[in-house]
Amino acid sequence: AQSVTQLDSHVSVSEGTPVLLRCNYSSSYSPSLFWYVQHPNKGLQLLLKYTSAATLVKGINGFEAEFKKSETSFHLTKPSAHMSDAAEYFCVVSPLDNFNKFYFGSGTKLNVKP
Amino acid sequence: DTEVTQTPKHLVMGMTNKKSLKCEQHMGHRAMYWYKQKAKKPPELMFVYSYEKLSINESVPSRFSPECPNSSLLNLHLHALQPEDSALYLCASSQEGWYTEAFFGQGTRLTVV
Repeated sequence: AQSVTQLDSHVSVSEGTPVLLRCNYSSSYSPSLFWYVQHPNKGLQLLLKYTSAATLVKGINGFEAEFKKSETSFHLTKPSAHMSDAAEYFCVVSPLDNFNKFYFGSGTKLNVKP
Repeated sequence: DTEVTQTPKHLVMGMTNKKSLKCEQHMGHRAMYWYKQKAKKPPELMFVYSYEKLSINESVPSRFSPECPNSSLLNLHLHALQPEDSALYLCASSQEGWYTEAFFGQGTRLTVV
């Protein structure tokens, strides 16, 4: 069975400081992993995806994530938060044996203080 | 064109009404999805169409009826809904295969009165 756990429901940072949003997954195989962002009352936008080509994945808006198989983690980071980063972030796993299923984590709400 | 377009953006319907949500993509994706998202919750998968055939139904009540008329269009027909069905309904599409991401529309905000 596949699942994804986002370890923090809320994260609050000051503008200009680093962001860390944590995600752990469970999967029988190395899955596809994604991070999506959702601004209030909007759809979901892909930030980045892991496709087995490289363990450090760079995405849009300065975000990146590192796939660590030994820790079954795919944490999202950004060196310097911007006010516009305030949103809900979802870690998503898609198993290789059922790639038409996307399993969502519970989400992490990022608050950025001025 | 990397957009998934959903109409309408907002919909208010009574419990005896029949309405439809529409979704369109022109990326050549052969998998299309309906998700339901309640406030402050992650999206929940409802249906998946693969090559215009329903491949996954996550035990959704029959008052929700999906339809895929062609490879670019996906509809969700609504009938006799309950107030608890009020939510943001998201459509998505993806290529078939490994390591492919889903592209999401902006959603339809549905209110059942």
